[in-house]
Amino acid sequence: DVKVTQSSRYLVKRTGEKVFLECVQDMDHENMFWYRQDPGLGLRLIYFSYDVKMKEKGDIPEGYSVSREKKERFSLILESASTNQTSMYLCASRGTLYEQYFGPGTRLTVT
Amino acid sequence: QKEVEQNSGPLSVPEGAIASLNCTYSDRGSQSFFWYRQYSGKSPELIMSIYSNGDKEDGRFTAQLNKASQYVSLLIRDSQPSDSATYLCAVNQGGSEKLVFGKGTKLTVNP
Repeated sequence: DVKVTQSSRYLVKRTGEKVFLECVQDMDHENMFWYRQDPGLGLRLIYFSYDVKMKEKGDIPEGYSVSREKKERFSLILESASTNQTSMYLCASRGTLYEQYFGPGTRLTVT
Repeated sequence: QKEVEQNSGPLSVPEGAIASLNCTYSDRGSQSFFWYRQYSGKSPELIMSIYSNGDKEDGRFTAQLNKASQYVSLLIRDSQPSDSATYLCAVNQGGSEKLVFGKGTKLTVNP
């Protein structure tokens, strides 16, 4: 079974803090994704990576950056957290037939 | 703008009935289609994938694809209260690394 893990299930941070969310997959997948999910807005793609050190902006990249130094690990960085970044953050890894497998999610609250 | 549309619901069915969930997509180049189940507060879980026209059955679940009409559906037979969740439709357009997700249909199965 594909396993995607995320570093935290719940996180509370203060406005202006730098926040790191980490995601690890164990299936040697090349493609990994970061989404946020908000009520009424659905899943929105922030960034994705198709190889080590390769990244591409998604639909809402503003205020975020990513890092992929190793194939199994994809990190999302909030450079200066703001209250409008309070959300559920979901990492996914892509299989060979374009299916995506999600991690458990991190519910981030910025106060 | 490539779109995936779902009826937001809520869809309510009695236990033991057939639940029918529908999804339409705008891009005729779409090639891969997925259904995810998401329980409240949890991450999406892949439950069905379908790649060619027709029906695909897996236990109580049947996915149906009609590329000419640009719709994909999910039937859940003998619905159980444990099927109560939000169901997300996702579509991969040919040549893209990404999935486009619908906003989901909330299903409630009443005992």
